Amino acid sequence: QSALTQPRSVSGSPGQSVTISCTGTSSDVGAYNYVSWYQQHPGKAPKLIIYDVTKRPSGVSDRFSGSKSGNTASLTISGLQAADEADYYCSSYVLTYTWLFGGGTKVTVL
Amino acid sequence: EVQLLESGGGLVQPGGSLRLSCAASGFTFTSFAMMWVRQAPGKGLEWVSVISAPGNSYHADSVKGRFTIFRDDSKNTVYLQMDSLRAGDTAVYYCAKVGFGDLDYWGQGTLVTVSP
Repeated sequence: QSALTQPRSVSGSPGQSVTISCTGTSSDVGAYNYVSWYQQHPGKAPKLIIYDVTKRPSGVSDRFSGSKSGNTASLTISGLQAADEADYYCSSYVLTYTWLFGGGTKVTVL
Repeated sequence: EVQLLESGGGLVQPGGSLRLSCAASGFTFTSFAMMWVRQAPGKGLEWVSVISAPGNSYHADSVKGRFTIFRDDSKNTVYLQMDSLRAGDTAVYYCAKVGFGDLDYWGQGTLVTVSP
């Protein structure tokens, strides 16, 4: 199975909203509601920020939201802040203990 | 508080072996699957191996036949035995706790460098 497709980079000014897409197929993203998103700052471990397409773990800002349409999932960051500058990865669980990751998107706050 | 502490990384020659360890605390270890995810320098995330709570193991095609994941529930520890290492295995290796379809906690990572 191929990796999920994400844009290499997105950027926005403080206070704006940015959206990162994650495109898979009808066998992964489109088939199951097990899409998750991870934030990774340089030199740090990834952190779960969205799971089951739309859910936020306790402690994650409500400025992060997830959605899905067909074979494409999306992460939206509202009210962009300097601290949001990081790499973001999507992932889809494909059952029987198999996961796919996206290639990652670098978010730059202008 | 959930904590995952990896160890065992280092420099190894091509064809060599290395065993990574991940000591877990702060949750009921026996109830959850555990995973190893790696990240090559400047690259994205790649899942490597996962072991279910009962102990069934699964590996990515890129490491199948060379890597083995296993767990010792008495020590709350998951291991990754890496054999026949190649330059392409050079990466930071993260241990992660599997939620359901997600990875809800990650360790800080351990660097494996495969080089002559």
